[in-house]
Amino acid sequence: SAVISQKPSRDICQRGTSLTIQCQVDSQVTMMFWYRQQPGQSLTLIATANQGSEATYESGFVIDKFPISRPNLTFSTLTVSNMSPEDSSIYLCSVQGAGTEAFFGQGTRLTVV
Amino acid sequence: GEDVEQSLFLSVREGDSSVINCTYTDSSSTYLYWYKQEPGAGLQLLTYIFSNMDMKQDQRLTVLLNKKDKHLSLRIADTQTGDSAIYFCAERGDSGAGSYQLTFGKGTKLSVIP
Repeated sequence: SAVISQKPSRDICQRGTSLTIQCQVDSQVTMMFWYRQQPGQSLTLIATANQGSEATYESGFVIDKFPISRPNLTFSTLTVSNMSPEDSSIYLCSVQGAGTEAFFGQGTRLTVV
Repeated sequence: GEDVEQSLFLSVREGDSSVINCTYTDSSSTYLYWYKQEPGAGLQLLTYIFSNMDMKQDQRLTVLLNKKDKHLSLRIADTQTGDSAIYFCAERGDSGAGSYQLTFGKGTKLSVIP
């Protein structure tokens, strides 16, 4: 199984600022994804992080608000830009290798005040 | 688009079996997953089943899949207080474009009564 480290685990941020979340995997993986889990809700896919090219965003999510980097097969970052209280959520990194299992990081609990 | 439905709450007594149900709409689903989320934590993969299987057992966990009815269930035998958590059902479709994102249900909150 893949071990995923996400940083920070939680943060409280002022509105209008930006936060970059890091996701580090202990092995090379093909697919990396970023999800959002709003309070009391299920997970919603933000984007697929593509190695060496621009991320693929889902409907309702845009690059200017959620820029993503993926410089190699073991690391990705998600930035939440110009934050508002509505961005308060848990953000989760997920990876899927050549097999069928999909693993998640512990998540970053973001509170915007 | 694809949809995954779960009941929101389930309450069982310690030692009893829990059955958490899930329905999905995507007929091209290839894999179906069950995840556990404890308070303040991320998602822990419990088990998954390939769409051409109808049952998978792993220790106290039994997954049943009725592909015709697009119904998935997770049975937890001898439920313990440590099983109290939110359980998410998720399906992985096959868009044919090599994209493997998951679609999640809203989660079932399992409460185990001592």
